[in-house]
Amino acid sequence: QSVLTQPPSASGTPGQRVTISCSGSSSNIATNTVNWYQQLPGTAPKLLIYRNNHRPSGVPDRFSGSQSGTSASLAISGLQSEDEADYYCAAWDGSLNGWVFGGGTKLTVL
Amino acid sequence: EVQLVESGGGLVKPGGSLRLSCAGSGFTFSSYTMNWVRQAPGKGLEWVACINSISTYIFYADSVKGRFTISRDNAKNSLYLQMNSLRAEDTAVYYCVRDAQLEPPDTNWFDPWGQGTLVTVSS
Repeated sequence: QSVLTQPPSASGTPGQRVTISCSGSSSNIATNTVNWYQQLPGTAPKLLIYRNNHRPSGVPDRFSGSQSGTSASLAISGLQSEDEADYYCAAWDGSLNGWVFGGGTKLTVL
Repeated sequence: EVQLVESGGGLVKPGGSLRLSCAGSGFTFSSYTMNWVRQAPGKGLEWVACINSISTYIFYADSVKGRFTISRDNAKNSLYLQMNSLRAEDTAVYYCVRDAQLEPPDTNWFDPWGQGTLVTVSS
């Protein structure tokens, strides 16, 4: 059981916009910034979004993040086949004194 | 190029021990908080432990507390994870991960990640 809650799966057709939610609590998302990681099949996770809504260099602007209260979300617009991957949200939890992850969302491009 | 390379994974029997290592290069290793994150086969990511730059702050996930010990040797640019009393549920790929910034964790993030090393606990 993950501390942060994500839907296990999401899907869309090429060109569509999809969003992935991440629900937490007052000790993590509400008070600390949220980061998102992309894990392509058979590879290590890679940073996708940091501090709620910042993109590292090299990440397309099709990817965006937002945070409000105890929830965060990742939006992917103009969906492409190469976006098919697992997506994880993460935040520091001040009560647990540790990092917490969502259970991950498997994105399928139909 | 910033790089993290893990080693030390393998097959170990339940109740056994294993020591993982992570070699950092391309950055000032001694300045950064380092972490171990694991991923069981077909499962999600689970943070295991972190250690700050001078080893004064160390935190563990409840699932490994009392069994795993994180440590570092800044002179050797290396991070370690001593794993004792291993259980089948510790079977996972273990990633060495760096805090991206020199700041507290509440506004920080993980970058980069190593390629991971597989630990299999089975009789």
